[in-house]
Amino acid sequence: GAGVSQSPSNKVTEKGKDVELRCDPISGHTALYWYRQSLGQGLEFLIYFQGNSAPDKSGLPSDRFSAERTGGSVSTLTIQRTQQEDSAVYLCASSLFLGREQFFGPGTRLTVL
Amino acid sequence: ILNVEQSPQSLHVQEGDSTNFTCSFPSSNFYALHWYRWETAKSPEALFVMTLNGDEKKKGQISATLNTKEGYSYLYIKGSQPEDSATYLCAFMIDSWGKLQFGAGTQVVVTP
Repeated sequence: GAGVSQSPSNKVTEKGKDVELRCDPISGHTALYWYRQSLGQGLEFLIYFQGNSAPDKSGLPSDRFSAERTGGSVSTLTIQRTQQEDSAVYLCASSLFLGREQFFGPGTRLTVL
Repeated sequence: ILNVEQSPQSLHVQEGDSTNFTCSFPSSNFYALHWYRWETAKSPEALFVMTLNGDEKKKGQISATLNTKEGYSYLYIKGSQPEDSATYLCAFMIDSWGKLQFGAGTQVVVTP
């Protein structure tokens, strides 16, 4: 069956521009997670969703970052006024329920020039 | 941020040899420990979700043990093959909602 998909796979943008990253979870998975991996760093939790609600937004690095999930399915992560330190691989994962094993997408590599 | 530490950071193994490495995590408020395997140019892949002290899980030639009282988990690879080359990540579940704190990973390189 189809796994988690993310788009775009690569995004190069100029500093100050807004970007939108998309995640399509596995059908039927109620929980969705966003992570990022900056160069030389480990996986950093950003936000998770149970259904359409995000109980914990504490991992978002700044108020330039926002995320939403609609219809209990697709999620978008938006970064406004991008900065060079936002350059990273952004990974999305979904799981059947919160706390279960997570299935990861291929990631979006974001480069901010 | 809770400390989830993995050691060693990297290791090189000859094909056919067995190896193991460690994940240490806080021993209080334990919910679960996840292990993932991340091959270059691929997505992280779940290996195990461990929830009980003394848990032992096995998947092919890879196995893991869990000690929640002392806060560590070992991952073992028996008879390593080049296709086992990957970064192995452990992740400590820090709340009941499933939020994971990842370790930095152990990079395993298996040479023929």
